[in-house]
Amino acid sequence: SQQGEEDPQALSIQEGENATMNCSYKTSINNLQWYRQNSGRGLVHLILIRSNEREKHSGRLRVTLDTSKKSSSLLITASRAADTASYFCATGIIGSSNTGKLIFGQGTTLQVKP
Amino acid sequence: NAGVTQTPKFQVLKTGQSMTLQCAQDMNHNSMYWYRQDPGMGLRLIYYSASEGTTDKGEVPNGYNVSRLNKREFSLRLESAAPSQTSVYFCASSAPIGSGRASNEQFFGPGTRLTVL
Repeated sequence: SQQGEEDPQALSIQEGENATMNCSYKTSINNLQWYRQNSGRGLVHLILIRSNEREKHSGRLRVTLDTSKKSSSLLITASRAADTASYFCATGIIGSSNTGKLIFGQGTTLQVKP
Repeated sequence: NAGVTQTPKFQVLKTGQSMTLQCAQDMNHNSMYWYRQDPGMGLRLIYYSASEGTTDKGEVPNGYNVSRLNKREFSLRLESAAPSQTSVYFCASSAPIGSGRASNEQFFGPGTRLTVL
């Protein structure tokens, strides 16, 4: 079964609003990453948060990690139409550091209406 | 730098045909990965290679074989294609923390859209 479960599966908001996506996972991790995929394209890395970090920022992105609840959230502030894409969380499992292997969630499809 | 390249971009096969998907990276990464992406299923790992000369099964390896030809290239082979293998295939590479590099992010190719009739 998938390690990462994302919620919601789909999200539609107006430009300028904030978008929040959540990711839950099952096993212990050493890092959690978020990726973005535009329609018909490959995934692009957005941000990585390590297991000993609780919050991280990058531009309009804010990621939180709660290892006690095995969950993470991605907040995109002041959304733009260009943020329309699918967003995936990916977990690096403890013991996989030497391989870099990640387990991806099913993704959240975000639509930002102009 | 081209990053991660994949060929072909599109392919249509008949059931039972074979083909090889090619992937190459120019970032000197140790690790390479093959995923398939199906609607509603996210990305599922087929095979990965932690270093040149090693390969390991991922979540969905049945029906596939891989070859890590050298540090740059990692190919995925379908010996006898089946309709269930209709999917979008992504190759990725990374320089894991355990390899001494600071980043564990994966870099993805543009994908191969495969249809098996």
